[in-house]
Amino acid sequence: QKEVEQNSGPLSVPEGAIASLNCTYSDRGSQSFFWYRQYSGKSPELIMSIYSNGDKEDGRFTAQLNKASQYVSLLIRDSQPSDSATYLCAVNSRAWVRGFKTIFGAGTRLFVKA
Amino acid sequence: EAGVVQSPRYKIIEKKQPVAFWCNPISGHNTLYWYLQNLGQGPELLIRYENEEAVDDSQLPKDRFSAERLKGVDSTLKIQPAELGDSAVYLCASSLGGENEQYFGPGTRLTVT
Repeated sequence: QKEVEQNSGPLSVPEGAIASLNCTYSDRGSQSFFWYRQYSGKSPELIMSIYSNGDKEDGRFTAQLNKASQYVSLLIRDSQPSDSATYLCAVNSRAWVRGFKTIFGAGTRLFVKA
Repeated sequence: EAGVVQSPRYKIIEKKQPVAFWCNPISGHNTLYWYLQNLGQGPELLIRYENEEAVDDSQLPKDRFSAERLKGVDSTLKIQPAELGDSAVYLCASSLGGENEQYFGPGTRLTVT
């Protein structure tokens, strides 16, 4: 079992729709979670961080965390063609070396159709 | 505020040659990370520094890879000798420490022929 799992996609949604991206993780002790957007040929760009159970909203983006079920999701409202990218989930998993280790999922490709 | 700076952006070398990558983190960020990213995969941690101390180098192939972060600011990652399988994007990131958000530089795309 991979430590951080994402559906590779592609996830295709029409413009204006809600895109829902999901991520599950294996380390129950993980405390911090991040979503990054990565355009083709570019480096990852931080979108959201979330540390507590529940929802966190920032503009059109909402991150949702459920530690009991070990999943974190990202909702993108009013999806735009410019949102077409790969979305990476990152989890700070517990590690014996200085407390934590950042583990990334392989990413979900999102395609927003105009 | 300037972001994470990396150089070079692209590098093409022949196998068995050495190569070095340089990273300058965001000012004030004491934690620096080096990642490797293969096509279609997420970044994989190579080494994490807190100030000048390498606190996690468990995934760094120490037979050919080395890194340093003198004075706790800039960092250099070196490969010697390079192998064909080292072709990838090498990403540097920095954070304020602890488990805070990481910010990535533009990366160095390495091609080993």
